[in-house]
Amino acid sequence: GAVVSQHPSWVICKSGTSVKIECRSLDFQATTMFWYRQFPKQSLMLMATSNEGSKATYEQGVEKDKFLINHASLTLSTLTVTSAHPEDSSFYICSASRFRDMAGPQHFGDGTRLSIL
Amino acid sequence: KNEVEQSPQNLTAQEGEFITINCSYSVGISALHWLQQHPGGGIVSLFMLSSGKKKHGRLIATINIQEKHSSLHITASHPRDSAVYICAASRRNTDKLIFGTGTRLQVFP
Repeated sequence: GAVVSQHPSWVICKSGTSVKIECRSLDFQATTMFWYRQFPKQSLMLMATSNEGSKATYEQGVEKDKFLINHASLTLSTLTVTSAHPEDSSFYICSASRFRDMAGPQHFGDGTRLSIL
Repeated sequence: KNEVEQSPQNLTAQEGEFITINCSYSVGISALHWLQQHPGGGIVSLFMLSSGKKKHGRLIATINIQEKHSSLHITASHPRDSAVYICAASRRNTDKLIFGTGTRLQVFP
């Protein structure tokens, strides 16, 4: 159990486009979902934490208006990269947890590779 | 200095060899995670431990809280074990994960 599906797995789009990434917990209720960003050969960086039904908590340096996070249900969170630019190109990974905040195991999606031309 | 350090950064092994990846941390933690990231990017959570030792198949994870050190062992390694292994510490009080930079493992047949 504890499967997390992330979609799409790969996006290429023009600069200025907004891109939405979905993260779904398929067989459990995700009280908390996390969004990470990973640059090549670097470690994961937490962007934001979202609890169902409440506003996401963003990490320092992450622009809230740039990276819109919605966690409308216990099985779905979305990350929208608004007006994406080449510097937003990265690997984005979501994870989901049954627990509030980071108290329990996280289950990761397969990631979305975003390339902005 | 990173709060979570892994060694080695890169590791190559012959199939069948016993593998050890080390993780040291300098912060107080509530738990330590070992993750496996496949070449395509997908991440699998292998272990979450706060004391002692856990075993799953050919994988063993140990932690020494006093020494602030954890190890991941792979017995009878196989080419399909080739991946990046990431150690992540849950910071005490906040539980926020602090990630190591990963160990890239390649196992050759």
